[in-house]
Amino acid sequence: SAVISQKPSRDICQRGTSLTIQCQVDSQVTMMFWYRQQPGQSLTLIATANQGSEATYESGFVIDKFPISRPNLTFSTLTVSNMSPEDSSIYLCSASGTSGLNEQFFGPGTRLTVL
Amino acid sequence: SQKIEQNSEALNIQEGKTATLTCNYTNYSPAYLQWYRQDPGRGPVFLLLIRENEKEKRKERLKVTFDTTLKQSLFHITASQPADSATYLCGTGGFKTIFGAGTRLFVKA
Repeated sequence: SAVISQKPSRDICQRGTSLTIQCQVDSQVTMMFWYRQQPGQSLTLIATANQGSEATYESGFVIDKFPISRPNLTFSTLTVSNMSPEDSSIYLCSASGTSGLNEQFFGPGTRLTVL
Repeated sequence: SQKIEQNSEALNIQEGKTATLTCNYTNYSPAYLQWYRQDPGRGPVFLLLIRENEKEKRKERLKVTFDTTLKQSLFHITASQPADSATYLCGTGGFKTIFGAGTRLFVKA
């Protein structure tokens, strides 16, 4: 298994600003992912964070809006750029590949409110 | 497009009864399905994974079935307890996971 931490746990931001969310895993993992979850709704995959290369984004998400870094096998960041109230959500980091079964381990999430 | 559907209505059951949650998938033939538990304000926690060639998988009071003909997985919690109250998510297996919307379970004492 893997233990994942995220920082910050929550933030309130002004429209037009950017926020970077950090995700730290306690062991080396193959895959890391970033999700968004609106209250009461399911997880929507934003992108797969690839170590040493550009992230792979899902339909509807673009690099200019959600730049992602993954400098090594234990750490990734997601930036929410030029925020608007529609970006208010919970952002979750996950990791998989610790056992080869692709089960995912999630961080506690970052609750973002944009005013 | 690939879809994972779970009953969006909350499931209310009495303590001690068996809770059964349903997950249906369309336009997809997953090699395996996964079930997660999510409590309010927390990230999902992995519970069970079942492969397409496995009919049933058990872990303590949990049981998962996988019917590739019906394109459905059932998740059972036997002898349910109030502590089992949470949202349960079904997800596809593979390189990246697609999740259903989840079903909220309330177990009354």
